[in-house]
Amino acid sequence: DQQVKQNSPSLSVQEGRISILNCDYTNSMFDYFLWYKKYPAEGPTFLISISSIKDKNEDGRFTVFLNKSAKHLSLHIVPSQPGDSAVYFCAASARASGAGSYQLTFGKGTKLSVIP
Amino acid sequence: DAGITQSPRHKVTETGTPVTLRCHQTENHRYMYWYRQDPGHGLRLIHYSYGVKDTDKGEVSDGYSVSRSKTEDFLLTLESATSSQTSVYFCAISEGEGSLSDTQYFGPGTRLTVL
Repeated sequence: DQQVKQNSPSLSVQEGRISILNCDYTNSMFDYFLWYKKYPAEGPTFLISISSIKDKNEDGRFTVFLNKSAKHLSLHIVPSQPGDSAVYFCAASARASGAGSYQLTFGKGTKLSVIP
Repeated sequence: DAGITQSPRHKVTETGTPVTLRCHQTENHRYMYWYRQDPGHGLRLIHYSYGVKDTDKGEVSDGYSVSRSKTEDFLLTLESATSSQTSVYFCAISEGEGSLSDTQYFGPGTRLTVL
């Protein structure tokens, strides 16, 4: 059973417009969330994260929003640029579980295409 | 960029042969991970390590073993490779306990093809 879901396999956006990537989770123990960006033939690179005690975190053009009651988070990219074209993975961890393993559970990814 | 290297970067092998992939880090991070990435599955955890000689299984550990004899090296071994293990393998590291986040940093990946 998927605990982290990215229901849109792909998304196309015009350059300069907003890109909104969505992620849903089912495990209420998750308390830390991350977004990774992946270009072809490269490893995923960390983009932005948010703790469950916040509902928004911003870093330049990238903002992550967290709605705990809905178990939903989203990544906003404004303005979108052609270089943002990549696969974006949502990930979550349950640090408070005390397991000490610090494992991340990943979604299947959304391929973003920014059209010039 | 985090100092993580993977070797080899590409490998083609035959069914039934043993294969070892190496991950090397220069960050002295405690936690190291092996993932595989397949179309339609995202990133799935194979094994991870929380210290020298301390390892545990992940979601898709069958057919894989790992070893960590030094902080900086984490080896993934396929004892007898099968075609279902054709994939792209990523190593990752994180600081783990005591850090402010669980952010993992990934290596460049190894593309393995089993014929």
